[in-house]
Amino acid sequence: DGGITQSPKYLFRKEGQNVTLSCEQNLNHDAMYWYRQDPGQGLRLIYYSQIVNDFQKGDIAEGYSVSREKKESFPLTVTSAQKNPTAFYLCASSIGLAGGRGPYNEQFFGPGTRLTVL
Amino acid sequence: QKEVEQDPGPLSVPEGAIVSLNCTYSNSAFQYFMWYRQYSRKGPELLMYTYSSGNKEDGRFTAQVDKSSKYISLFIRDSQPSDSATYLCAMNRNTGFQKLVFGTGTRLLVSP
Repeated sequence: DGGITQSPKYLFRKEGQNVTLSCEQNLNHDAMYWYRQDPGQGLRLIYYSQIVNDFQKGDIAEGYSVSREKKESFPLTVTSAQKNPTAFYLCASSIGLAGGRGPYNEQFFGPGTRLTVL
Repeated sequence: QKEVEQDPGPLSVPEGAIVSLNCTYSNSAFQYFMWYRQYSRKGPELLMYTYSSGNKEDGRFTAQVDKSSKYISLFIRDSQPSDSATYLCAMNRNTGFQKLVFGTGTRLLVSP
């Protein structure tokens, strides 16, 4: 089955620690995204990548870092510099610019990781 | 002012009711309009998308876009308890990669 997997489902972090959230897709999509979801805020874009070895900051990139060494993988690191990291984190992917076959490239979402800072 | 406004609800209806979910937006450059459904503690899934103005129907769901009023709607006919979820509107400006702008989501509760 094609899809997006995120791990872990729940993650607990102590103050001052860096943690890395995993996102893997087997949809052969070029573009991948990380969003943060907070109550009453909707989804906010953290980082996105349109192609391997390239990524761009979204609206709320401060305190986060990413890498895109493989097409299938787009891990997100939440650093100690992120002031309020407790949130629900969602990874998504889409076909991307090069392979778009329709007027809109649907973003497919993973199941999410809930991060709690203790 | 947020680019996309959506009433957070919750909206409670009895089974079988017609549900109307709405979003307003301020950026007239938005061309593509989407509705995502998100069950509790899950990732969103795309329900429908429409381009520019007009209606689009898919089973019990109808999406409507009124660009002159900057207003989009999702109607659910014969609502079911399984429709209980949060519904997020999203929109973007053009083809290819453009950042999606999401509403905050409306929580819908359909009681049997």
